[in-house]
Amino acid sequence: EAAVTQSPRNKVAVTGGKVTLSCNQTNNHNNMYWYRQDTGHGLRLIHYSYGAGSTEKGDIPDGYKASRPSQENFSLILELATPSQTSVYFCASGDPGGNYAEQFFGPGTRLTVL
Amino acid sequence: GEQVEQLPSILRVQEGSSASINCTYENSASNYFPWYKQEPGENPKLIIDIRSNMERKQTQGLIVLLDKKAKRFSLHITDTQPGDSAMYFCAASVDSNNRIFFGDGTQLVVKP
Repeated sequence: EAAVTQSPRNKVAVTGGKVTLSCNQTNNHNNMYWYRQDTGHGLRLIHYSYGAGSTEKGDIPDGYKASRPSQENFSLILELATPSQTSVYFCASGDPGGNYAEQFFGPGTRLTVL
Repeated sequence: GEQVEQLPSILRVQEGSSASINCTYENSASNYFPWYKQEPGENPKLIIDIRSNMERKQTQGLIVLLDKKAKRFSLHITDTQPGDSAMYFCAASVDSNNRIFFGDGTQLVVKP
């Protein structure tokens, strides 16, 4: 039973369209994260959250919004998708009160913007 | 914040030999250094970590070394097997709010 799930797993969007990526965790972790992974860049942090109602900007927030309506759910929103946002997106959860900073990753969402 | 540099970007080794990946960090306040392994098409998974109160940690075929003075840490995989072929990420955590900073990854290829 996966503790961090993402939906959809694959998404094809058109330029200028709105895209919402969803993440759900059952770890009861306070913190959640959205990363994108591109060849040669590793994992880059887009947005993160310390708990329900909180969102913080990561290293590359431009073009993305985030929403944390509950402890379990964290969404990444691309209001106007562009081809440069074609990537693999990973959600993760972690709890600073637990094993230091260990983060648990979801299976990833492959997004293609045409 | 923090900046983590990871080298090499690609590492090819013969099966049965050892492999070493090196990382450096900038912030002397960093106190937690995890290593993640990512197999093709999969998500990153924690394989070993070390805290700033340690200099060495070993689990199964993995050894992690931490040199706080030099702000350097490394992963050593002994007796590599084809199943060790994957992308490896080092990371550093500087704050108690759980944010970690990743290196750009090392693609390890173990040749039979």
